[in-house]
Amino acid sequence: QKEVEQNSGPLSVPEGAIASLNCTYSDRGSQSFFWYRQYSGKSPELIMFIYSNGDKEDGRFTAQLNKASQYVSLLIRDSQPSDSATYLCAVKGGLNSGYSTLTFGKGTMLLVSP
Amino acid sequence: GAGVSQSPSNKVTEKGKDVELRCDPISGHTALYWYRQSLGQGLEFLIYFQGNSAPDKSGLPSDRFSAERTGGSVSTLTIQRTQQEDSAVYLCASSFTGGGYTFGSGTRLTVV
Repeated sequence: QKEVEQNSGPLSVPEGAIASLNCTYSDRGSQSFFWYRQYSGKSPELIMFIYSNGDKEDGRFTAQLNKASQYVSLLIRDSQPSDSATYLCAVKGGLNSGYSTLTFGKGTMLLVSP
Repeated sequence: GAGVSQSPSNKVTEKGKDVELRCDPISGHTALYWYRQSLGQGLEFLIYFQGNSAPDKSGLPSDRFSAERTGGSVSTLTIQRTQQEDSAVYLCASSFTGGGYTFGSGTRLTVV
């Protein structure tokens, strides 16, 4: 069983719509959760992190965490073509992933059409 | 520096040669990580340094790979007797303890 799973996509949404990106993880002991954005040919950049169950909002981005369901999501409101990228979910703190290192999913490609 | 600096940005080497990749983390970041990313693949953990503690080498794929971090700052990843399957982008990241990573721009390694 893969430790961090994401749908590879592409997820296609029109400009202005809400994009919903999902991630599941296998290690129930995981403590913290991160979303990174990676443009083609570039390195990942941190968008948000979340530690507690519920929602965390930052501008157009909302991270949602449900530890009971082992599920993390990222919502992007008012999607822009510049949001087109691969979004990586990463998990830290579980036994399987190492308490101090991030385990990454393979990412979901998002395409926002004008 | 303002960000994580990696060099070289690109490296083409012949199969069987040794290569060294360098990472200069953000000043003050105590943790340093090496990952690699192959085309179409996810980020694969290689090695983690935290302060003066022994590094976590659990992700190194073979004994051809080694890394060191001198003075708690700059790190060098060495790959001996390179193979074609070593071709990938090697990413270095640093963080405060427990924080999210800041990645460097990576070194694209091509073994021919």
